[in-house]
Amino acid sequence: GQQLNQSPQSMFIQEGEDVSMNCTSSSIFNTWLWYKQEPGEGPVLLIALYKAGELTSNGRLTAQFGITRKDSFLNISASIPSDVGIYFCAGQDNQGGKLIFGQGTELSVKP
Amino acid sequence: SAVISQKPSRDICQRGTSLTIQCQVDSQVTMMFWYRQQPGQSLTLIATANQGSEATYESGFVIDKFPISRPNLTFSTLTVSNMSPEDSSIYLCSARTEGGYTFGSGTRLTVV
Repeated sequence: GQQLNQSPQSMFIQEGEDVSMNCTSSSIFNTWLWYKQEPGEGPVLLIALYKAGELTSNGRLTAQFGITRKDSFLNISASIPSDVGIYFCAGQDNQGGKLIFGQGTELSVKP
Repeated sequence: SAVISQKPSRDICQRGTSLTIQCQVDSQVTMMFWYRQQPGQSLTLIATANQGSEATYESGFVIDKFPISRPNLTFSTLTVSNMSPEDSSIYLCSARTEGGYTFGSGTRLTVV
C-alpha cells in the first residue's frame, strides 16, 4: 500500500534555530498536509498544499509540495519553546480521499 | 473550520468488554474517518464512514471488531469490541471539511 517516509524521526534544537523536515512517497498524492500534535490532543492542521510546486507559508512555517507530487517539506524558522510537539505529514489518497500519515517528527526545543 | 467533539476522552476497560466512542461534528460532513494511534506511533486508518453506506475498512481491521455507525451527516460512533490489552491505544475520529481534515482530540483507551 501507499507509504510515506518522514524524516528525521526526532530533532533536538536550540530556541531560535530553524528546523526542516520532509516526507517522501513512492506514490503520487493530490494533496499534502502538515499537522502538529501535542500530548493528549488530536492533530491540528498547519498547512495544506494542493498544487505541485506550491509553496505556502503560515507565520514562521513554510511548506512546499514537490514538483513530482511525491514529496513535501516543512520548515520552521526561529523556533520557540511552544513549537514542541510531533509533526506529521499526510498525503491524500487519490482514490478514496483518505489520508496516509508519515511516521512523525518529534521536535524538542531547548530554551 | 469545523469543530469535532469526541468522547470519552479516556477510559480504562476490562478485557472482554466493549467501548463505544462518539464523535460529533458541528457541521454536516460527507466523509468521516476513524484512526488508531498506538503509543509513540503514527496514525493508522481503521475505516472510512460515509453516511448512508457501510463503512469501508482498511486491511487488518474488520467490522466485527470495530463496528461503526454513521446515522447522519454530523455524527459517528466506533465500537471497540471484545477488548484485549492489545487494543490499548488512542482512537481518533476525523472529518473531511472545507478547511481540510479536522480531528477530534482522541480517546485514550487502556484495557486491563
